[in-house]
Amino acid sequence: QSVLTQPPSASGTPGQRVTIACSGSSSNIGRNIVNWYQQVPGTAPKLLTYADNQRPSGVPDRFSDSKSGTSASLAISGLQPEDEADYYCAVWDDSLDGWVFGGGTKLTVL
Amino acid sequence: QVHVVQSGAEVKKPGASVKVSCKGSGFNFLSHHVHWVRQAPGQGLQWMGLINPSGSTKKYAQKFQGRMTMSRDTSTSTVYMELSSLTSEDTAMYYCASQGGMGANYRDYWGQGTLVTVSS
Repeated sequence: QSVLTQPPSASGTPGQRVTIACSGSSSNIGRNIVNWYQQVPGTAPKLLTYADNQRPSGVPDRFSDSKSGTSASLAISGLQPEDEADYYCAVWDDSLDGWVFGGGTKLTVL
Repeated sequence: QVHVVQSGAEVKKPGASVKVSCKGSGFNFLSHHVHWVRQAPGQGLQWMGLINPSGSTKKYAQKFQGRMTMSRDTSTSTVYMELSSLTSEDTAMYYCASQGGMGANYRDYWGQGTLVTVSS
């Protein structure tokens, strides 16, 4: 099982807002920056957000993240069919001295 | 233009070793840390290890300690990952991820992946 806990699935209809949670601990989310990745099947993960709601160039502002204590979340507003993908949270864990990932959340756009 | 290009697919027999390369261009690859991450078929992402910009510091996930080696050739902007004593459980897509900078200058680039198949 993963060090970070994500729900295995999420769904929404076009235009809706969806939130994906990521639960960790004081050694990872509680003290380090969380990255969120989108992975379309058959392709490499792509960075969506990092460092408390920063987005790389080209990522629409429909994607936003937040963090509170040892939990983080990714919000997708104005859901679009092309948002259907797997989403992963990732963060450095000081106790393990390594990068840890959530188990991934498969987002379905109904 | 930013490129992170990995070596091609490999098929190996159990007990063998595999060496995967990761070459960065179009950005300051030499100042980036490089992670190795793998993904077994139908599974999630699993961190394997990290090498720092100079290659002087390497961190390995406990699971791979002792049979994984990372190296870096700064002259060719290439990072290598070698995994030994392969079993069928090592069949996976292997990714390198190059990370550097802070704040608004943070950059995170992934290679296209290298499929390693372990089969007798």
